Amino acid sequence: DGGITQSPKYLFRKEGQNVTLSCEQNLNHDAMYWYRQDPGQGLRLIYYSQIVNDFQKGDIAEGYSVSREKKESFPLTVTSAQKNPTAFYLCASSMQGAIGQPQHFGDGTRLSIL
Amino acid sequence: SQKIEQNSEALNIQEGKTATLTCNYTNYSPAYLQWYRQDPGRGPVFLLLIRENEKEKRKERLKVTFDTTLKQSLFHITASQPADSATYLCALLDTGRRALTFGSGTRLQVQP
Repeated sequence: DGGITQSPKYLFRKEGQNVTLSCEQNLNHDAMYWYRQDPGQGLRLIYYSQIVNDFQKGDIAEGYSVSREKKESFPLTVTSAQKNPTAFYLCASSMQGAIGQPQHFGDGTRLSIL
Repeated sequence: SQKIEQNSEALNIQEGKTATLTCNYTNYSPAYLQWYRQDPGRGPVFLLLIRENEKEKRKERLKVTFDTTLKQSLFHITASQPADSATYLCALLDTGRRALTFGSGTRLQVQP
């Protein structure tokens, strides 16, 4: 079955700690995205990547970092510089960027502060 | 500033009725508008896409309209069922950066 796998489903971060959220897709999609969702709010774009070894900042990139070394993988690191990291994180992918193509989402990682 | 607005209040309707959800936007010139369904604790699932030159799109019990003059899209679910209860998100293509911008969603509750 093709799809997007996010892991872990739940993650806890201690003060001053960096944590990495995994996102893997086997849909052969070129573009991948990371969103943050807070209660009662829509999805806000953190980073996106249209092609391997290239990525762009979204609306709320501060305190986050990404890499895109392989087409199937787009890990997100939440650094200690992100002061309010508690949220639901969603990864998505699409063909040929977002031009007319739907995005396929994983089932998210819920990050909490210890 | 650019804004996408969806009714933040939940929409409660009776089973069998038509649900209508609204998506309004300002300061965008979207080439496409998409609708997604999101269940609690899950990622959004794509439902429908409508292009700027299309007035209406249908898929089974779903219908989307797109009025670029009013800057509004309406999403209809006919013969609604309790299983349709979820949050529905609209999203616009931001051609400047080739990424979608999402509204905050409207929660639909269909009562049996």
